[in-house]
Amino acid sequence: AQSVTQLDSHVSVSEGTPVLLRCNYSSSYSPSLFWYVQHPNKGLQLLLKYTSAATLVKGINGFEAEFKKSETSFHLTKPSAHMSDAAEYFCVVPRGGYQKVTFGTGTKLQVIP
Amino acid sequence: DTGVSQNPRHKITKRGQNVTFRCDPISEHNRLYWYRQTLGQGPEFLTYFQNEAQLEKSRLLSDRFSAERPKGSFSTLEIQRTEQGDSAMYLCASQGSTDTQYFGPGTRLTVL
Repeated sequence: AQSVTQLDSHVSVSEGTPVLLRCNYSSSYSPSLFWYVQHPNKGLQLLLKYTSAATLVKGINGFEAEFKKSETSFHLTKPSAHMSDAAEYFCVVPRGGYQKVTFGTGTKLQVIP
Repeated sequence: DTGVSQNPRHKITKRGQNVTFRCDPISEHNRLYWYRQTLGQGPEFLTYFQNEAQLEKSRLLSDRFSAERPKGSFSTLEIQRTEQGDSAMYLCASQGSTDTQYFGPGTRLTVL
């Protein structure tokens, strides 16, 4: 079965420093993988997705993620954090039929001025 | 493409009352999903429609919950005899021909 594990429930960084949000997946094949962001009291917004075309995926707002099959990881990074990046981030993997998806437990990113 | 919309955005009700939420998906998206999200958790799948057919329901969807998508466009989620444990954010997502789900802003339900 496909599943994802987000290794950190909270990450705190200073503004202007790099961001690393970790996600490991479990799958019997190379899955599609997604990162979504949820700002307080807002819906989920797609940041980026991996669909096997390229292992390094660029998303919106300067985020990118690298699919590493050998490590079963899909970590989200950004070179320089901005205050507006403070939000909760979810790693997501499709599972089963009908493109159902499983969400990770989320990582709350705090950006310190 | 105006995105997925949900109404109301917030609902406060007393225990035992019935509530109904509405989701309007992106036009021509034939797949529609409902999720529930509680504080500190990721969204959990509730049910899925392809066009007007409800193809799957989670065990989370007790018999007090019912969802419809009568014409394959908008969908409603009704909760009867609400309980305090139903308090959560209810999210709707739609999907077209790609593997990407697009989410609405959610309806936050508070049961007093």
